[in-house]
Amino acid sequence: DTEVTQTPKHLVMGMTNKKSLKCEQHMGHRAMYWYKQKAKKPPELMFVYSYEKLSINESVPSRFSPECPNSSLLNLHLHALQPEDSALYLCASSRGDANYQPQHFGDGTRLSIL
Amino acid sequence: KQEVTQIPAALSVPEGENLVLNCSFTDSAIYNLQWFRQDPGKGLTSLLLIQSSQREQTSGRLNASLDKSSGRSTLYIAASQPGDSATYLCAACGNAGNMLTFGGGTRLMVKP
Repeated sequence: DTEVTQTPKHLVMGMTNKKSLKCEQHMGHRAMYWYKQKAKKPPELMFVYSYEKLSINESVPSRFSPECPNSSLLNLHLHALQPEDSALYLCASSRGDANYQPQHFGDGTRLSIL
Repeated sequence: KQEVTQIPAALSVPEGENLVLNCSFTDSAIYNLQWFRQDPGKGLTSLLLIQSSQREQTSGRLNASLDKSSGRSTLYIAASQPGDSATYLCAACGNAGNMLTFGGGTRLMVKP
């Protein structure tokens, strides 16, 4: 079992829907990440939160809106998504944002846009 | 911009073989290199992390090496087992904020 929990595991939504992905960790980590992974491709970084503040946004479209309400929780709010946004969305956390600290990944949310 | 390449893209071996997975990166100014395992439909499991000052790391049947100057890392799996079947990803960490750049992965199949 992973120590980073993502819900839901699967999500199907229409292009006009609003939904949210949730990520939770209780390891006391202060850095959290969102990645997008298309089928048979490597994960691509979307956002980095460090001490609950957004530190990196990799030019992600505004239809993806991250939120870090507290140090254990990371959300990704979705609105007006496109079919090409269908992918596995992975959350990760690390003790801090220093470069020597390993990232721990959740099992992801598989998102399908109709 | 860092680019990470993994060769081969897919590999099929009989059980018991020793095997080597390769990872190369274009920018040698990395802080560390991580190897991950990903099972179908699952997240990533960290296997080994090699700091830039280190040459290798070992965990059980796994051994990862790092040669920063040549931009290469290898993952050696000894006495492969069917349970080792998965996709193996390497990732280079080279920028502030602990940002990882992943290779395309090697899909490994170990046949009984």
